[in-house]
Amino acid sequence: DAKTTQPPSMDCAEGRAANLPCNHSTISGNEYVYWYRQIHSQGPQYIIHGLKNNETNEMASLIITEDRKSSTLILPHATLRDTAVYYCIVINNYGQNFVFGPGTRLSVLP
Amino acid sequence: DAGVIQSPRHEVTEMGQEVTLRCKLISGHNSLFWYRQTMMRGLELLIYFNNNVPIDDSGMPEDRFSAKMPNASFSTLKIQPSEPRDSAVYFCASTLYFNGATDTQYFGPGTRLTVL
Repeated sequence: DAKTTQPPSMDCAEGRAANLPCNHSTISGNEYVYWYRQIHSQGPQYIIHGLKNNETNEMASLIITEDRKSSTLILPHATLRDTAVYYCIVINNYGQNFVFGPGTRLSVLP
Repeated sequence: DAGVIQSPRHEVTEMGQEVTLRCKLISGHNSLFWYRQTMMRGLELLIYFNNNVPIDDSGMPEDRFSAKMPNASFSTLKIQPSEPRDSAVYFCASTLYFNGATDTQYFGPGTRLTVL
């Protein structure tokens, strides 16, 4: 069962790119990397996911290393509203082990 | 779409009382998840359903907890009897059909439960 490790907290200046790392060194071939975030007092919100290729959507980009042992979520132009806890999780094709770790608390500073 | 709807948003009860939390899925979704979040343990998956059938309830803490889907769009999570250690925020989430890793979940706003 793959587990993830993330830094507990990070700061980012408003308007700059926020790069949030995640280590998943025990990930197996059929496991996807997912990112969610949770803004204070709200339910988690889906951001992006990927298997091995880099992905981009309107919210963020996901860069997965070639060996798939780590990934980086990039918020290209962070705003104050991006202040939240960001969770990196891995999940297999059977939907098992959907476990949220403690995540990274991102603070976007004015 | 109104999104996932949970009720009540806040619940305060006394130890030993029965508590029922409710969740309405997004229209057209067929999979439903219940999570619990505490400061100590973070966000934990309790149980999930596909097409009203419980698929994985390994996260349900003990027999005091039970979850049902009486119909395709609605679910309840019941705690009987409640204990102070059950105090947490309970989230439900839905997705189209959870058959693998390519389905994203949409979370409700949560129910904050306090057991005195």
